[in-house]
Amino acid sequence: DAKTTQPTSMDCAEGRAANLPCNHSTISGNEYVYWYRQIHSQGPQYIIHGLKNNETNEMASLIITEDRKSSTLILPHATLRDTAVYYCIVRGSAGGTSYGKLTFGQGTILTVHP
Amino acid sequence: EAGVAQSPRYKIIEKRQSVAFWCNPISGHATLYWYQQILGQGPKLLIQFQNNGVVDDSQLPKDRFSAERLKGVDSTLKIQPAKLEDSAVYLCASSPLGLVGGQFFGPGTRLTVL
Repeated sequence: DAKTTQPTSMDCAEGRAANLPCNHSTISGNEYVYWYRQIHSQGPQYIIHGLKNNETNEMASLIITEDRKSSTLILPHATLRDTAVYYCIVRGSAGGTSYGKLTFGQGTILTVHP
Repeated sequence: EAGVAQSPRYKIIEKRQSVAFWCNPISGHATLYWYQQILGQGPKLLIQFQNNGVVDDSQLPKDRFSAERLKGVDSTLKIQPAKLEDSAVYLCASSPLGLVGGQFFGPGTRLTVL
C-alpha cells in the first residue's frame, strides 16, 4: 500500500474552513484515497473517499491533485465537535494480499478552537 | 440503521489470563475486521473476514490470538494468554461486500492487562 504523509497537528478557528493536507506520492492508478477521523474515545468514522475526481458529501470535500500525489480534506465550517485525529489512507487494491485493507498512520490532530 | 456493536466496552485482566471480545456487524455487511489500537497509534488490522472466511490474518499473533466468525454474522476475538503489551483498544468494523466504500467502526473494547 502507498504510504501517506500528514502534518502531526493543525489548529483551526471555529466557523472557518479546515484544510487538511496529505501526501501520497507513491499511489497506484487503481488505489483510492480515504479519509477517516477519530474523536476521542470513539471508533474511527468514515468521512469520504475518492479516486481521481474531487468529491463532496455532507461532511466534507476531498480535493485530489491531477497527478494524484496529494490531496486535501476540507471541512468548510469547522465546529468544536470536529476536533479529532484525521487519517488519510490509501486503500489496497483488489487481488493482492492487502485486499480492501486500511493501513492507518499517525494522522493529523485537528484542534478547533473558539 | 443500527451500528456495529461490541462488548464488553472495558475489560481488566491479569497477564496470562484469557479474554474474549464480541462483535455484531451492521446487518447485511459481508466483511468484518478486527483492529488493535495501542495508545497514541493508529488502528492496526489484525484479521479480516469475508462472510465466514478469513481474507487476511497476516498481522494476527496466532500463538495467542484467535478469531472466528461462525455463520458469517457476528464474531469473537480471543486472547490466550494475555501479555502486558496486549493492552489496547480492540475495534471491530464492517463493510458491505465490495472494495469501494467505507468501513463502519464500533466503539471498541478497551483492554487493560495488569
